[in-house]
Amino acid sequence: GQQVMQIPQYQHVQEGEDFTTYCNSSTTLSNIQWYKQRPGGHPVFLIQLVKSGEVKKQKRLTFQFGEAKKNSSLHITATQTTDVGTYFCAGDSADSGGYQKVTFGTGTKLQVIP
Amino acid sequence: SQTIHQWPATLVQPVGSPLSLECTVEGTSNPNLYWYRQAAGRGLQLLFYSVGIGQISSEVPQNLSASRPQDRQFILSSKKLLLSDSGFYLCASTGRSYEQYFGPGTRLTVT
Repeated sequence: GQQVMQIPQYQHVQEGEDFTTYCNSSTTLSNIQWYKQRPGGHPVFLIQLVKSGEVKKQKRLTFQFGEAKKNSSLHITATQTTDVGTYFCAGDSADSGGYQKVTFGTGTKLQVIP
Repeated sequence: SQTIHQWPATLVQPVGSPLSLECTVEGTSNPNLYWYRQAAGRGLQLLFYSVGIGQISSEVPQNLSASRPQDRQFILSSKKLLLSDSGFYLCASTGRSYEQYFGPGTRLTVT
């Protein structure tokens, strides 16, 4: 079945440093979604990318979808303590039959040291 | 925007006891609904999803079951809980672009 891996699994950064998490799928995706889960909370939808090579920005967050639609990245510029949490990508396989059954990545846990 | 309700927030149950977790959705109609389980510090495991009333697809063989008696109601059940059923159970509903909105979750500890 479809597998979605994220690296790194954990990342500790000093406040103000940049952070990047990478997401790789074993199959071609029709779209990629990104979620953030704060400690003790539930995942919250951040953004969805659909087009090959698409880049979207949300303030200090930059999201990219690979040209082959099999990988994606999330980059945070100048991290803040409010960025702490686990970031998940989630992909809907291009051959899923339209049921929108996304597969979540393994997640990257970000810790920001003040 | 839609709101996902889940209860209870926490639950401690003995091994062998039954389970019923309910999820209700407000602010949308005919959503896809999902049950996920998350072990401590781990990723999200899809357990069941539903594209309509009475339509349930199971992703992982286990002693859990799901039902969707109404359009915006999704129920997760078990007749006899196992220790391995402990975890954080999350219900999710789809938005207009099939993004997922999650409820607050239920933390289940089986003792």
